[in-house]
Amino acid sequence: ETGVTQSPTHLIKTRGQQVTLRCSSQSGHNTVSWYQQALGQGPQFIFQYYREEENGRGNFPPRFSGLQFPNYSSELNVNALELDDSALYLCASSFSSGGTDTQYFGPGTRLTVL
Amino acid sequence: DQQVKQNSPSLSVQEGRISILNCDYTNSMFDYFLWYKKYPAEGPTFLISISSIKDKNEDGRFTVFLNKSAKHLSLHIVPSQPGDSAVYFCAATKGFQKLVFGTGTRLLVSP
Repeated sequence: ETGVTQSPTHLIKTRGQQVTLRCSSQSGHNTVSWYQQALGQGPQFIFQYYREEENGRGNFPPRFSGLQFPNYSSELNVNALELDDSALYLCASSFSSGGTDTQYFGPGTRLTVL
Repeated sequence: DQQVKQNSPSLSVQEGRISILNCDYTNSMFDYFLWYKKYPAEGPTFLISISSIKDKNEDGRFTVFLNKSAKHLSLHIVPSQPGDSAVYFCAATKGFQKLVFGTGTRLLVSP
């Protein structure tokens, strides 16, 4: 069974640029959630995708957007990067069954904005 | 508004002893609570969870206790091992749409 994978591992961008982060969900999972973890903080929920539709969004501006593909992989796009966007971006996948939909995390993408 | 709080940034324990990590929450609508462990350069790893209708869940060396009246949960690790040294995050959810995390407790288990 393949776990959650994310690419790239590290990324350096400059302020104002755009970035795309990718996530492959665990086999059998149909839901992907994205989180931002700033230094010294817990992960903060960005949004969740279920069957290619956004299924909830946290307190992040519209320049954070996402996609989920038919194979349940996902992308996180961030436009007009700001210095405060520097963080670890975590993707988690789960199987939404109406029961205990435990989320399993990938290793994350470390984004640095200069 | 910090809905999930882990007030101890760090905890040091000797190998073989009990580690107790604490977590408080404010939102009474949360119906499921989870603990994750995180090593440097890795994503959080799911450890154990508990439904709000239970007060205890056990899995090997790990036990989670939930006190709904106090809005408090704790993770007990017995016996603690050096490999348990990591950052532990408490998370809560209502309906599993999003997880609300605490700020984490760094556990150091010394031989």
